Order: sequence, then structure tokens, then C-alpha cells
Amino acid sequence: GDSVTQMEGPVTLSEEAFLTINCTYTATGYPSLFWYVQYPGEGLQLLLKATKADDKGSNKGFEATYRKETTSFHLEKGSVQVSDSAVYFCALSEGAAGNKLTFGGGTRVLVKP
Amino acid sequence: GAVVSQHPSRVICKSGTSVKIECRSLDFQATTMFWYRQFPKKSLMLMATSNEGSKATYEQGVEKDKFLINHASLTLSTLTVTSAHPEDSSFYICSADRGAGELFFGEGSRLTVL
Repeated sequence: GDSVTQMEGPVTLSEEAFLTINCTYTATGYPSLFWYVQYPGEGLQLLLKATKADDKGSNKGFEATYRKETTSFHLEKGSVQVSDSAVYFCALSEGAAGNKLTFGGGTRVLVKP
Repeated sequence: GAVVSQHPSRVICKSGTSVKIECRSLDFQATTMFWYRQFPKKSLMLMATSNEGSKATYEQGVEKDKFLINHASLTLSTLTVTSAHPEDSSFYICSADRGAGELFFGEGSRLTVL
């Protein structure tokens, strides 16, 4: 079955540091890939997505590139802020509806001032 | 943006009782909603797909008689944990599909069974 593996946290950074969260996946077909973010006390929000190989998703300074050859979708941000402190989930979906998600374990990121 | 609301956000109940959690899409209609369970420091695990007007589709290993799902309208799905036990304590999250696979998540409901 499909699976998503992402680095365990917590990841603790100083403000303006570079952030990378690794994500790799296993899928039988050609999935769409997502990063969701969960801020404290809130529901998951879509951060970015990519639907085919070599696509780059980007939002709020975050980027991730769909790498089919390495089955990866690593999340990066060049300069984090305290407000980026959250839990980040990598996910994939397959199938015609594209709404059934398989999540990674989540990575907690803490940015200190 | 679209809003999905869950209620209650926290519930504590005694072992053997049943608990109902509601998931509402506040500003759009959703023929499909999803229920997830999140264990501490673990990922979200899909429990079931809730389809308006029809029976829910449960994932393998999820007891449908224990986790009753009803999707009676296009804006409301409910998850009832029947005869709850301490091992059912968890964080339950719903999501609603606004269309074309665009998903919006509720804030989650934390269930503690004593």
C-alpha cells in the first residue's frame, strides 16, 4: 500500500535559519503530493502541493519539488520565522477523486527568536 | 476561506458510554467527508470515508459497529464512538471535500475515556 515517511522531530531552529523537512513516499501509481501545516490549536491547512513529476509547489516562502526518481517531496524554507512554528505533514493522494490522503508522521518545528 | 468546524473540541467520558462528534462544513456543501484518528506523536490514520446519503466506507481494521458514521446532510457528518473504552482515547479529525479534491480540515476533537 501507499506510505509516506518523513523525518521525525522536533526540529528546533533559530529565526532566519534554513529549514528542510525530508519526505519520501511509496505509491503504486502517480500520486499527488502535499504538505499540510497544523498550527497550535488549529486544523490542518494545505501549505502546498504538486501533482506531477518535477512540479514545484510553493507558498508563504516554502517550496517542495516532486522528485519521481527519488520518490521525494522535501519541504524547504530559506529563512524561518517564529510564526512558522507548527507541525508539518507530508501526504499523498491517489485515485480519480484525489481526496483520500495518506499522511506521514508529522514533523514538529519550533523556531526560537 | 472555507471553514470546517468540529464539536466538541474536547470531551471526557466514562468507559462504556457513547460519544458523538460532529463535523460541519460551514460555508460549503460536502458530499464526502473523512474521519481520521491521530495518536500521540503519530500520523493521521484514515478511519472512514463518509458519503452523504449512503453508508460510510471504512478502512481495514476499523470496527464499523464501534465507530458509527452518519452523513445525513451535505454539511454535517457525525462520528459516534460507541461503548467507549480507554483505548479509544485519541484525537479525531475530520475533513470535508469542497470539490475537485480540495480538502478542509476541522480543528480536531480530543476524546478521553476514563
